[in-house]
Amino acid sequence: QTAVTQEPSFSVSPGGTVTLTCGLSSGSVSTSYYPSWYHQTPGQAPRTLIYSTNTRSSGVPDRFSGSILGNKAALTITGAQADDESDYYCVLYMGSGIWVFGGGTKLTVL
Amino acid sequence: QVTLKESGPVLVKPTETLTLTCTVSGFSLSNARMGVSWIRQPPGKALEWLAHIFSNDEKSYSTSLKSRLTISKDTSKSQVVLTMTNMDPVDTATYYCARIRMRDSYGTISYYYYYMDVWGKGTTVTVSS
Repeated sequence: QTAVTQEPSFSVSPGGTVTLTCGLSSGSVSTSYYPSWYHQTPGQAPRTLIYSTNTRSSGVPDRFSGSILGNKAALTITGAQADDESDYYCVLYMGSGIWVFGGGTKLTVL
Repeated sequence: QVTLKESGPVLVKPTETLTLTCTVSGFSLSNARMGVSWIRQPPGKALEWLAHIFSNDEKSYSTSLKSRLTISKDTSKSQVVLTMTNMDPVDTATYYCARIRMRDSYGTISYYYYYMDVWGKGTTVTVSS
């Protein structure tokens, strides 16, 4: 089965911009995979950030944005804040009722 | 308000079968625009999608765990049940159920989404003798 790849970790300075990516071990990510993004803090359930590549979930601030960059899906955080420090997961829909999570990116804001 | 709540045993022994229940409210399991998936997360590790059930009762499973999983639903009780056979300590994890928003239809036009829009809080299962 094709794996979904994410950077294991990333750091960003407060106020800075960071782009996390979501790729495939084989092939390119396109909108046809309906990429979605979630964040999770320790001990909490995941929360939805972005779906269908670039649609923000209700209540998500507009400093979070999604896109396709090259052959990957991307999550960009503009003006990073301390409480953006979290684990970020992308999910791709493979079709036929199959979803695959990426390994997650641990984002540090410092 | 849409909610999902997972329930099941806290501790199971190796080789036993795990049965988890996801009780939903605020939407119907017969709604064709929605489905329910199970996802798990071992301690300190990534999320892993396990299984999904559609409103029409079609099911799908993770390739790697397919032989051990069964998902079902009771629409009248608003419950989705996941069973996992032959439990092993590596199956120790927090198990989540999540609603999947599949699509919206407006007349002849449908928009597809395929994402987890509402999550339960999770239930932690430890596999140990």
